[in-house]
Amino acid sequence: DAKTTQPPSMDCAEGRAANLPCNHSTISGNEYVYWYRQIHSQGPQYIIHGLKNNETNEMASLIITEDRKSSTLILPHATLRDTAVYYCIVLAENSGGSNYKLTFGKGTLLTVNP
Amino acid sequence: ETGVTQTPRHLVMGMTNKKSLKCEQHLGHNAMYWYKQSAKKPLELMFVYNFKEQTENNSVPSRFSPECPNSSHLFLHLHTLQPEDSALYLCASSQETGYYGYTFGSGTRLTVV
Repeated sequence: DAKTTQPPSMDCAEGRAANLPCNHSTISGNEYVYWYRQIHSQGPQYIIHGLKNNETNEMASLIITEDRKSSTLILPHATLRDTAVYYCIVLAENSGGSNYKLTFGKGTLLTVNP
Repeated sequence: ETGVTQTPRHLVMGMTNKKSLKCEQHLGHNAMYWYKQSAKKPLELMFVYNFKEQTENNSVPSRFSPECPNSSHLFLHLHTLQPEDSALYLCASSQETGYYGYTFGSGTRLTVV
């Protein structure tokens, strides 16, 4: 059963902000929201993660709604090299057992157009 | 380079061959994973190792045999594969205690003929 819902595909113009949504309405209080991306035929790459506060790093920003039922990954100035499948994953840290497994859905294929 | 190195990058093998995929990390991680990604499908977790011990096998056929001699190395031994086993095989590592971020290798593109 999917814990996250993402649109299958999105387009963005080069140089513009890319806003990728994710719904996780059944998220538990101890579960974090993680974002990974996979450029064609490469291994997934960690982007960012957060619990309830908004987060920013050199790659992206993560905006989590106050009720934590959805989030948005923002790439502020998308480039052609940002074309990839973006995965939103919820996972509890330090929980051991099966929760530490990173389980991927189908993600969102973001295409950045020139 | 991500810190997780997989070899070979590409492999073509016949259905009667025996081959091995290798994964190596020097990130100080204690957990290692094998994932399979078939064309147009999500990544599927195959095996999980924590401190060299296998903790999960997701109903993977016995023609795939993992080996973890130490926390830095992970192998996937292949024998009597089928054409439908052709896929991108990805190795990843992470800290054992909880989740601190997975680091993936670039994968081995396997073609079974």
